Amino acid sequence: AQSVTQLDSHVSVSEGTPVLLRCNYSSSYSPSLFWYVQHPNKGLQLLLKYTSAATLVKGINGFEAEFKKSETSFHLTKPSAHMSDAAEYFCVVTPNNAGNMLTFGGGTRLMVKP
Amino acid sequence: DAGITQSPRYKITETGRQVTLMCHQTWSHSYMFWYRQDLGHGLRLIYYSAAADITDKGEVPDGYVVSRSKTENFPLTLESATRSQTSVYFCASSDVRAAGYTFGSGTRLTVV
Repeated sequence: AQSVTQLDSHVSVSEGTPVLLRCNYSSSYSPSLFWYVQHPNKGLQLLLKYTSAATLVKGINGFEAEFKKSETSFHLTKPSAHMSDAAEYFCVVTPNNAGNMLTFGGGTRLMVKP
Repeated sequence: DAGITQSPRYKITETGRQVTLMCHQTWSHSYMFWYRQDLGHGLRLIYYSAAADITDKGEVPDGYVVSRSKTENFPLTLESATRSQTSVYFCASSDVRAAGYTFGSGTRLTVV
């Protein structure tokens, strides 16, 4: 069994300040982990993915995430928020031997204040 | 154009009607998925397919039917639509295990 918990349903930051979106997972197997972003009325876009290589993963638009097995976490960070980062973010897990099924976290809505 | 396309983008239907949502991908990906997105529930897996003619249930399959006679197409049918099936539906495809997933733009379905 696998599950994903996004610890904050809403996060609000000021433009230019750091972003931290928290994600904890549980998985019976060595997982692959992803972060997706969804802008209003749009589809889902892959930000970054971890697939058992380097634990610090760099993604698009300046985002990165660190896989910490001991803490079962995969938090998403960005040093400086832009207004265009305002969106819904999903942490996603798939166990590497379970046929590609994704389990989504509940999502975190990021708001960026000018 | 290459990619994954869903149709229609928007659909309004009446309770009890049958409706089919289409999904087409051009990469010959083995895996295809249908998810629904609802407030408070995130995205939940309805059905998935590992290859042509191979489908399996996800977390919330009741009231839905899928087929996959060709690798590139994975239609989702609501046999008798209910108001609880009002949602945004996303199709996705994937090649080898966990290598990457691409989502369509979604279909917003309203059942009245």
